[in-house]
Amino acid sequence: AQRVTQPEKLLSVFKGAPVELKCNYSYSGSPELFWYVQYSRQRLQLLLRHISRESIKGFTADLNKGETSFHLKKPFAQEEDSAMYYCALSPFNQGGKLIFGQGTELSVKP
Amino acid sequence: GAGVSQSPSNKVTEKGKDVELRCDPISGHTALYWYRQSLGQGLEFLIYFQGNSAPDKSGLPSDRFSAERTGGSVSTLTIQRTQQEDSAVYLCASSIQNYEQYFGPGTRLTVT
Repeated sequence: AQRVTQPEKLLSVFKGAPVELKCNYSYSGSPELFWYVQYSRQRLQLLLRHISRESIKGFTADLNKGETSFHLKKPFAQEEDSAMYYCALSPFNQGGKLIFGQGTELSVKP
Repeated sequence: GAGVSQSPSNKVTEKGKDVELRCDPISGHTALYWYRQSLGQGLEFLIYFQGNSAPDKSGLPSDRFSAERTGGSVSTLTIQRTQQEDSAVYLCASSIQNYEQYFGPGTRLTVT
């Protein structure tokens, strides 16, 4: 079965603290993985994808095939990082459709 | 440039009525996707178009749901005989092949 699990519905940290949003996946193959973000009253938008291996807005995510995880990390959280974060998987050769996790709401307190 | 647009932004309908939701993708984007965002289910894939054909309809929850795309552009998602469990935000996204998906603002559907 193709499934993405984000175990935390809400993650609350203080400004300047490190943050890690967890994502685990179930997929029998080599997945393409993404993090999408939805800021308040804005559209869902791509944050990063694992194949590009970029750091966007200070966030990074490493694909760990052994642990089937793709956790999102940032060493020093900022208040503007407060948003809803979705981990997503795109199965191979299925037109690019996305299978999303349930989402984690990140709240960064001043 | 113009992003993905959806209309209406909000729709309130009575149980049993039919509704049509519209998506205008970014010009030139060949792939178009519909998703549903609801409280209990999170973000679910519904259907995917490549051009005017729909190779993957696996996420449509029942035969009350259908979608079409014309001219390789506008898409309409139709829900017949709406039920309360259809209440959700319906999101449309478009992309060039398997590249980044750009999402619209969504249509919030409320079935009373």
